[in-house]
Amino acid sequence: DARVTQTPRDKVTEMGQEVTMRCQPILGHNTVFWYRQTMMQGLELLAYFRNRAPLDDSGMPKDRFSAEMPDATLATLKIQPSEPRDSAVYFCASARTGGDTEAFFGQGTRLTVV
Amino acid sequence: SQQGEEDPQALSIQEGENATMNCSYKTSINNLQWYRQNSGRGLVHLILIRSNEREKHSGRLRVTLDTSKKSSSLLITASRAADTASYFCARGNAGNMLTFGGGTRLMVKP
Repeated sequence: DARVTQTPRDKVTEMGQEVTMRCQPILGHNTVFWYRQTMMQGLELLAYFRNRAPLDDSGMPKDRFSAEMPDATLATLKIQPSEPRDSAVYFCASARTGGDTEAFFGQGTRLTVV
Repeated sequence: SQQGEEDPQALSIQEGENATMNCSYKTSINNLQWYRQNSGRGLVHLILIRSNEREKHSGRLRVTLDTSKKSSSLLITASRAADTASYFCARGNAGNMLTFGGGTRLMVKP
């Protein structure tokens, strides 16, 4: 049963600490998205990759956020230093490239920065 | 920031009634997709309509697309309590980038 796996599911951290969220896309999917969901802003696209290369990360605050794909089976989203306003649910999604394709979402990482 | 709006933001209906949700967007699209989210969980894809299509059906779901008005609608017929969830539209561009609207929270009362 192919699915996108995100870890951790929940993370509570203190302000100023580094946070790393991980995502394993579905095997064979070469497009990966990172979204942030809050009540106020809804679902915001932070970054997306194709074949491990970042195509658009304009939605991501560059001073503290970074996103990478060290290899085809792992995407990471890092926040350093974290702030209370970063508290949100972070979703990773993956999709095949070519034509009109659907995205498959992970279950998300619920981040709380205190 | 989202590139469009969904309305209504919230909808409450009785089981058996139809639910209609609308989505508007501002930039050109390759496709328009609808997703469902149960509370606290990841989004699940429901249906995709291409920019050259006007209507699509899948079970109790019917999606329409009007590119001249830059709008789409999702109709759920004969709703069930299990349809209670948030529904999002997503605009797909030529690069397969997906941007989502704010969603409609649907409550179906038994």
